[in-house]
Amino acid sequence: SQQGEEDPQALSIQEGENATMNCSYKTSINNLQWYRQNSGRGLVHLILIRSNEREKHSGRLRVTLDTSKKSSSLLITASRAADTASYFCPQDNYGQNFVFGPGTRLSVLP
Amino acid sequence: DAGVIQSPRHEVTEMGQEVTLRCKPISGHNSLFWYRQTMMRGLELLIYFNNNVPIDDSGMPEDRFSAKMPNASFSTLKIQPSEPRDSAVYFCASTQGGRAGVGPTNEQFFGPGTRLTVL
Repeated sequence: SQQGEEDPQALSIQEGENATMNCSYKTSINNLQWYRQNSGRGLVHLILIRSNEREKHSGRLRVTLDTSKKSSSLLITASRAADTASYFCPQDNYGQNFVFGPGTRLSVLP
Repeated sequence: DAGVIQSPRHEVTEMGQEVTLRCKPISGHNSLFWYRQTMMRGLELLIYFNNNVPIDDSGMPEDRFSAKMPNASFSTLKIQPSEPRDSAVYFCASTQGGRAGVGPTNEQFFGPGTRLTVL
């Protein structure tokens, strides 16, 4: 299976704290993407990092990529209640489509 | 742009009935994906189209499921006959992208989903 795996499966933090979640993948990639899904909603694209990049920022988001370890991490700084959601890093199936893992369920407590 | 549009947003039907879900992708996107999401199985890819042609339908659970894309702006997913285990949220997504090996998988834009309940 080319399914990417997010870790941890669930994470609870206090508002204002940073949240870090990790992703491991199995095959070589052209890029890696992170998506967010709020409860009852469709998925929303957050950020894309290319295979030749090691780190990328977007607002309060910071993504790192280590192709030697086939892993990525997503850091959300100064978390807010609105960040409560599930986060996914789908496996790029040879540029054809995505295979989604179970995601990380983030709960930001007020 | 209105984004990916799905209808209906909610569907409640009885076992054995035919169900048709509809999707309008973002204009200009040439790839369309149908996903199903349940608590038990997570988000599963059912089928995807490129330039209106079905490329991979290996995720379609069984013959009761069928999908069509008659033109670049419309796709349907049909379940006939429906069963309680088909209850799930069905998402449609679109992207501007080519086939395998052509380039990196691009950002997918998801619709709001159709919540299907089969009684």
